[in-house]
Amino acid sequence: DTGVSQDPRHKITKRGQNVTFRCDPISEHNRLYWYRQTLGQGPEFLTYFQNEAQLEKSRLLSDRFSAERPKGSFSTLEIQRTEQGDSAMYLCASSLAAALEQYFGPGTRLTVT
Amino acid sequence: AQSVAQPEDQVNVAEGNPLTVKCTYSVSGNPYLFWYVQYPNRGLQFLLKYITGDNLVKGSYGFEAEFNKSQTSFHLKKPSALVSDSALYFCAVRPPDPEYGNKLVFGAGTILRVKS
Repeated sequence: DTGVSQDPRHKITKRGQNVTFRCDPISEHNRLYWYRQTLGQGPEFLTYFQNEAQLEKSRLLSDRFSAERPKGSFSTLEIQRTEQGDSAMYLCASSLAAALEQYFGPGTRLTVT
Repeated sequence: AQSVAQPEDQVNVAEGNPLTVKCTYSVSGNPYLFWYVQYPNRGLQFLLKYITGDNLVKGSYGFEAEFNKSQTSFHLKKPSALVSDSALYFCAVRPPDPEYGNKLVFGAGTILRVKS
């Protein structure tokens, strides 16, 4: 069990550019979640997959955000036309279908300049 | 609306003393409750959860939490604090209503500082 991994750990981009983040969940976990965490706040839910199906999306997830989990394993989160307000830590978590606790990766810190 | 409140931005305690980090929630029905800890530049680590049953839940690293339904609270406790416990602690709730799916709703976090 190598835990949840995320890549990259840090990303600096200019406003208007597109960025993509990757999350590799714990191998036997079929549920995968994305959260966003800004300074001084707790994580906020963005979206959730069960296997390859995206079952829930937060209203925080604007049209510029898209997430995929094509084979029910790793997931990508893409932000198009980044804005300074997108600067945050993006966290990925995974869980077993029958379990309630979610296990988090180290996060990707995005800075939009 | 489902929400979690952590009323203290920071808790300071001397090493060896007991610690309490407070959490209250506002959720309809019987929620599932969690505590996570976050160290600098690292992701959240699961500490413990309450689903049902005994109101005192034991978790990792000697932490425990007490569920109080009448006060809608889920305070994190440890009998004897260590300097290494210094970190950011988050309380989270998963509403039981399927309408809310599987997402966790987090509080804003409490910084715990343990001084030697």
